[in-house]
Amino acid sequence: NAGVTQTPKFQVLKTGQSMTLQCAQDMNHNSMYWYRQDPGMGLRLIYYSASEGTTDKGEVPNGYNVSRLNKREFSLRLESAAPSQTSVYFCASSALIRDPYEQYFGPGTRLTVT
Amino acid sequence: GNSVTQMEGPVTLSEEAFLTINCTYTATGYPSLFWYVQYPGEGLQLLLKATKADDKGSNKGFEATYRKETTSFHLEKGSVQVSDSAVYFCALSERPGGGADGLTFGKGTHLIIQP
Repeated sequence: NAGVTQTPKFQVLKTGQSMTLQCAQDMNHNSMYWYRQDPGMGLRLIYYSASEGTTDKGEVPNGYNVSRLNKREFSLRLESAAPSQTSVYFCASSALIRDPYEQYFGPGTRLTVT
Repeated sequence: GNSVTQMEGPVTLSEEAFLTINCTYTATGYPSLFWYVQYPGEGLQLLLKATKADDKGSNKGFEATYRKETTSFHLEKGSVQVSDSAVYFCALSERPGGGADGLTFGKGTHLIIQP
């Protein structure tokens, strides 16, 4: 039982390049999330997927797209990377959409855009 | 909208000292409240939670009580250890009404415990 896994762990991109961050969970959770963590800002929600087949914007969705590939996998795509997207990206999942629910986090992807 | 305010660090204490990290929140409904901990180089882990007013969450010697009257959820520990050094995040989630829309986090408090 690996929990939430993310790939890659580190990535350096040049401005304008594209990439996809991968996330998978093996806990049979319905809901999945993408957050970014910036110094002094805490974590901010980018996109979430309440259940397989649905996705919704969070607080900071601009410049990102997501795909809920199946119940296990939820990917985050940067179509044209910008230096402002330099951040640590965390994927999370939760079992229930009813309160209270606990989110389980992956180890993060550290992305640098030059 | 929802928001969480917590004291910003770094907070530096000596081993065996008493710890308090303040957290207050603003929410439109009746949120559940959480403390998450992030150790260096790792993702966030749930430390404790409380789902309704006057509930006390506790884990690993840490405690926090959900105070609706003061909209607070302060984290406390009676005697900290060097291994408690980490970043602590206060967070909330609203009760159901629209589905899972993620957690609202505070900015995090960096705790440093010196031997």
